[in-house]
Amino acid sequence: GENVEQHPSTLSVQEGDSAVIKCTYSDSASNYFPWYKQELGKGPQLIIDIRSNVGEKKDQRIAVTLNKTAKHFSLHITETQPEDSAVYFCAASSDTGRRALTFGSGTRLQVQP
Amino acid sequence: DAGVIQSPRHEVTEMGQEVTLRCKPISGHDYLFWYRQTMMRGLELLIYFNNNVPIDDSGMPEDRFSAKMPNASFSTLKIQPSEPRDSAVYFCASSTRGVETQYFGPGTRLLVL
Repeated sequence: GENVEQHPSTLSVQEGDSAVIKCTYSDSASNYFPWYKQELGKGPQLIIDIRSNVGEKKDQRIAVTLNKTAKHFSLHITETQPEDSAVYFCAASSDTGRRALTFGSGTRLQVQP
Repeated sequence: DAGVIQSPRHEVTEMGQEVTLRCKPISGHDYLFWYRQTMMRGLELLIYFNNNVPIDDSGMPEDRFSAKMPNASFSTLKIQPSEPRDSAVYFCASSTRGVETQYFGPGTRLLVL
């Protein structure tokens, strides 16, 4: 089955700096890669996603890049703000086999004011 | 829209007792997912339904776990008998696009003593 590895497990940045979180996946058939943000005591919230026919997608301060050859994808947050502090999860799924999201282990992002 | 609704938000029970978790998906969503989140195993899919029919229950840990979806607006996850290792946060999510664009509920925090 699919295996998704996520790094780093914790990340601390100063407000205004950029943050990058990286994930690798094992199943070359995976074609959908979402990122979720989870605040304390809440459920994960989808913040951006990308399909395998696209190399990069941007939405205001967040962007996701995908390298299919290397089987890795990354989340980029620019101009970080204290409200960006949360746990971020990457995930992957394919249209074949078990059509389910496999999540990474999460990255705790702390934005220092 | 009210979003995905889960109840109870917190449940404390003793080993051996039956536990029932409830979920109301977003109106019009035809996919419903049950996840479990623990520190050790992260976010893992237990089961998902499409049009009230269970599609994949390969993530259900053992026969003590069962899930039903009697209609499009209600689902239950039952654990009988409960064990301390079942302690976790259980999330329900719904979507109109299968694994894509899932909306998570606030979760039920279960503690089995």
